[in-house]
Amino acid sequence: QQPVQSPQAVILREGEDAVINCSSSKALYSVHWYRQKHGEAPVFLMILLKGGEQKGHDKISASFNEKKQQSSLYLTASQLSYSGTYFCGTEGANAGGTSYGKLTFGQGTILTVHP
Amino acid sequence: ETGVTQTPRHLVMGMTNKKSLKCEQHLGHNAMYWYKQSAKKPLELMFVYSLEERVENNSVPSRFSPECPNSSHLFLHLHTLQPEDSALYLCASSRLWASTYEQYFGPGTRLTVT
Repeated sequence: QQPVQSPQAVILREGEDAVINCSSSKALYSVHWYRQKHGEAPVFLMILLKGGEQKGHDKISASFNEKKQQSSLYLTASQLSYSGTYFCGTEGANAGGTSYGKLTFGQGTILTVHP
Repeated sequence: ETGVTQTPRHLVMGMTNKKSLKCEQHLGHNAMYWYKQSAKKPLELMFVYSLEERVENNSVPSRFSPECPNSSHLFLHLHTLQPEDSALYLCASSRLWASTYEQYFGPGTRLTVT
């Protein structure tokens, strides 16, 4: 079952902050975050694992609440380049090396940053 | 990293045509994926290959036929497609990190079936 992202869209001015949420109805092993600009490939942002390990870009931060099966992506001091559609992909709790990265993606959150 | 390439970038085909999409990764990864991205729908996983062996076929119709001749190349052969198959087809490759797979996507092939 696909995760649910919120909000569906957000509009910011440069320098403002935003939080994008990803919620699942099933227990999760990992959450993966991507950003996609129109006509371009989705770009890897973050991986968060059950147990607390994470990997990602220095300027992006995120959290993973295992009990709530929820992850949040924090975009602070937004820049024009942050505009795009943000996707979370989730991996079930029984995965971990055996699922070959089989991710179920949310519907996306459209972020627009204005000057 | 932008080491995943896809050709062609755009493709228009009739319902009776046969065509192939190509994906190549230059990252030394050992798993590759095909995804379908339709308007207003989430990314849908179609196929997964690990070390050239298909490990996932996500209930995809047989008119889509994948091929992975080696760990750097992945093809998606198309035949007798339907208009609803029009979409962006994305390829990804990945490496294992901490028991999960860090995936990197190519730019996609925009397919239009007429």
